[in-house]
Amino acid sequence: AQSVTQLGSHVSVSEGALVLLRCNYSSSVPPYLFWYVQYPNQGLQLLLKYTTGATLVKGINGFEAEFKKSETSFHLTKPSAHMSDAAEYFCAVSGRGGTSYGKLTFGQGTILTVHP
Amino acid sequence: KAGVTQTPRYLIKTRGQQVTLSCSPISGHRSVSWYQQTPGQGLQFLFEYFSETQRNKGNFPGRFSGRQFSNSRSEMNVSTLELGDSALYLCASSLDPGTEQYFGPGTRLTVT
Repeated sequence: AQSVTQLGSHVSVSEGALVLLRCNYSSSVPPYLFWYVQYPNQGLQLLLKYTTGATLVKGINGFEAEFKKSETSFHLTKPSAHMSDAAEYFCAVSGRGGTSYGKLTFGQGTILTVHP
Repeated sequence: KAGVTQTPRYLIKTRGQQVTLSCSPISGHRSVSWYQQTPGQGLQFLFEYFSETQRNKGNFPGRFSGRQFSNSRSEMNVSTLELGDSALYLCASSLDPGTEQYFGPGTRLTVT
């Protein structure tokens, strides 16, 4: 079975500071990996995904994430935080085949607060 | 291209009642998945439909069911509502199973 752990349910940064949101996964084979963002009273928006190929993935709004197989991690970063980045972020995995193919398993989420 | 739409956006029901939620996927998308989001359990997979067939199912009781129509629109039904069913129900569509999923705004169900 797959699982996702997001380290830190709350992260607070100052505007302009580096954003680092941590995600580790557990899977028998490397899964597909995703980061989603959720703003209050809205659905989820896909920020970026890793399926194959280059391990450093760039997404929307200046976010990027690096897949590290040896560390089973997929941490999300952004060099300079904006006030508009304040939201809840979810890391998710899905399998490459079988019953977990297409089924997203989410972490518990990290609420990002950005201070002026 | 219009995004995923879900109706209704808000719903209040009483314990023991049943409810039907609707989801219209992005045009051309053939796969629809449903997720439940609660503060305690987070985001949990309910089921996935493709070509009018349930392709995958999460660990939810049989009170939760769904279906998909020939135009890819999907509905989910919850019977004999319990207080614990209060949640945000999210629908996501994708071109095919396993491709990236795009989420709708959700239906917030409150059971009293």
